[in-house]
Amino acid sequence: EAQVTQNPRYLITVTGKKLTVTCSQNMNHEYMSWYRQDPGLGLRQIYYSMNVEVTDKGDVPEGYKVSRKEKRNFPLILESPSPNQTSLYFCASSIKGNEQYFGPGTRLTVT
Amino acid sequence: SQQGEEDPQALSIQEGENATMNCSYKTSINNLQWYRQNSGRGLVHLILIRSNEREKHSGRLRVTLDTSKKSSSLLITASRAADTASYFCATDKGQAGTALIFGKGTTLSVSS
Repeated sequence: EAQVTQNPRYLITVTGKKLTVTCSQNMNHEYMSWYRQDPGLGLRQIYYSMNVEVTDKGDVPEGYKVSRKEKRNFPLILESPSPNQTSLYFCASSIKGNEQYFGPGTRLTVT
Repeated sequence: SQQGEEDPQALSIQEGENATMNCSYKTSINNLQWYRQNSGRGLVHLILIRSNEREKHSGRLRVTLDTSKKSSSLLITASRAADTASYFCATDKGQAGTALIFGKGTTLSVSS
């Protein structure tokens, strides 16, 4: 089954404790993205990747890092999480110019 | 930067009625997409319309695109309770092709 998986689905952590949210897709898509969704603000793109070792900033990249060492994986790294990064995070993948396939989301709370 | 803006923000209708949502955007696009999100869950792609297309259908969905007005509309015909969800339009940034910019969404409530 074609899918995008994210782990963990729920995470509560404390300020400053580094964390990684994993994202994996099994569709051999070149493009992958990370978004955050906040009430009243909609979805905003954090980072995207056009292929292995090719990444670029989205609209809200501050406080986040990504890497794309393999085509299927696109982890999101928060080196020093802060409460304003409490949000619902989505990973997505696609073939260029086509529909994006979204993961189920990761609900992150930073206290 | 917000590219797409949906209108209305919220819409309540009865089952069987049609629901129309609008999206306006600011800059030129390669394509425009509509997505549905059930509460707190992942987004599901509904339909993609390219900049050289004016209308597209998929089941009970009809999407129109007017590039001169920089606007699109999504029509859901014969709505069902299961259509209750938030609907988002998304446009690409042009250069990357898949770096989508989403609007804030229209929340549709269909009551039986």
